[in-house]
Amino acid sequence: GAGVSQSPRYKVTKRGQDVALRCDPISGHVSLYWYRQALGQGPEFLTYFNYEAQQDKSGLPNDRFSAERPEGSISTLTIQRTEQRDSAMYRCASSSGLAGGKNEQFFGPGTRLTVL
Amino acid sequence: KNEVEQSPQNLTAQEGEFITINCSYSVGISALHWLQQHPGGGIVSLFMLSSGKKKHGRLIATINIQEKHSSLHITASHPRDSAVYICAVKINYQLIWGAGTKLIIKP
Repeated sequence: GAGVSQSPRYKVTKRGQDVALRCDPISGHVSLYWYRQALGQGPEFLTYFNYEAQQDKSGLPNDRFSAERPEGSISTLTIQRTEQRDSAMYRCASSSGLAGGKNEQFFGPGTRLTVL
Repeated sequence: KNEVEQSPQNLTAQEGEFITINCSYSVGISALHWLQQHPGGGIVSLFMLSSGKKKHGRLIATINIQEKHSSLHITASHPRDSAVYICAVKINYQLIWGAGTKLIIKP
C-alpha cells in the first residue's frame, strides 16, 4: 500500500469491553511496531514484530494487552476488559527491516481510543 | 533523567524567522529521527540521521554523534510550519521519544 493504515481511526467503548485495533503496514515491510501516546505526552513503545515473530513485548502495560501478526503483515493489538486509563492514541509504524538497525519507521494515522 | 531532552519546549516566532530546535540524548543510538506532529495528531517522519547533515526544502537536520546532540533548523519559517516537532532516538529497534517542541509561527 501507499502507507501505513490503521483502523478504526476512532473507537469509543465502554469500560470492560474488549477492543481490537488493526494495523496494515507498508507492503513488504518486515518490521512492525506499536506505540501508545497519551494526551499531551510522547509516544511510548509497546511491542515489535519481525515478520510474524513478536520480538519484544516488554512495553505492553499488563496482560490485558496483546498483539499478533499471524501472517507477517497485518497486525492486531487487542485490549481486553478496557479501562479508562487505556484511553490514548495507539500508533503503528513499519520499517523495511533491513540489517544495520537504521531502518526508518513510517507511522500510521493512529487509532484514537476512548474508554468511557 | 530523560534519555532524550528537547529544547525549547515551546517556541513562538514570526513568519520568516530562522528556527532552531535542539535535541540531546544520553545513550548510544543507531539513528535519530525528527518527526512532525500536526494538531490533528498525524505524525510525519522528517529525517532519519545517523551522522552529518540532511536537508529537505527549508528543513535542515544535523547530528553530532560524539556530543550526542542534534538540531533541526527551519529557514524562512511559515505559519504552516506550526506543529509539534519530536526528536526520537533509535536504540536497537525501539524509538525513545523526546517530549516535543511546540512551534507556533505567527504571520
